[in-house]
Amino acid sequence: EIVMTQSPATLSVSPGERATLSCRASQSVSSNLAWYQQKPGQAPRLLIYGASTRATGIPARFSGSGSGTEFSLTISSLQSEDFAVYYCQQYNNWPPDTFGQGTKLEIK
Amino acid sequence: EVQLLESGGGLVQPGGSLRLSCAASGFTFSNYAMRWVRQAPGKGLEWVSTISTSGGSTYYADSVKGRFTISRDNSKNTLYLQMNSLRAEETAMYYCAGTLRGDYIYWGQGTLVTVSS
Repeated sequence: EIVMTQSPATLSVSPGERATLSCRASQSVSSNLAWYQQKPGQAPRLLIYGASTRATGIPARFSGSGSGTEFSLTISSLQSEDFAVYYCQQYNNWPPDTFGQGTKLEIK
Repeated sequence: EVQLLESGGGLVQPGGSLRLSCAASGFTFSNYAMRWVRQAPGKGLEWVSTISTSGGSTYYADSVKGRFTISRDNSKNTLYLQMNSLRAEETAMYYCAGTLRGDYIYWGQGTLVTVSS
């Protein structure tokens, strides 16, 4: 089973600033990596797939990068609606699908 | 508009059973592999089960193997999860999701399962 590790657990950033979230895989997942955003009381929403491709309707301020075992999600200028929990997920070797434990992005 | 609408959650005693349903609309259901994912209160996402487009292949997390059964009816655009011998630690929001490549493109709003005496 591939273990996904996200860092940091919590990230405090001011609105308008840039945020970078990290995700590491225990072995290579090529570019088969997705990012999700989850707000309180809501289902997760797909942001990025293929490590760097934005899903339909996702604003350009969200960008993903990386391959192999190291990945990052960058939000270029934080809006109020971006404060949420973010998860990475690998789909290179399944089953099982594996998710990171999440990074909570909070307002500084 | 794409919709996945889960139902069937509720309160059940340890050792009991529930059947979850997920009704799909707004996309070609039979073209998508479907998955169940759960989220315990205040915790992260945990994959539970996957079913192929035709239903001919199914996969389960080790923690539910032998107790849960995933199925689908493409004529009804509906996904199911039969859960038997439920445990207290399986209290969670259960989400259904549609996938093409392996990433979860479509999500339902979730149905809450509470296992408690």
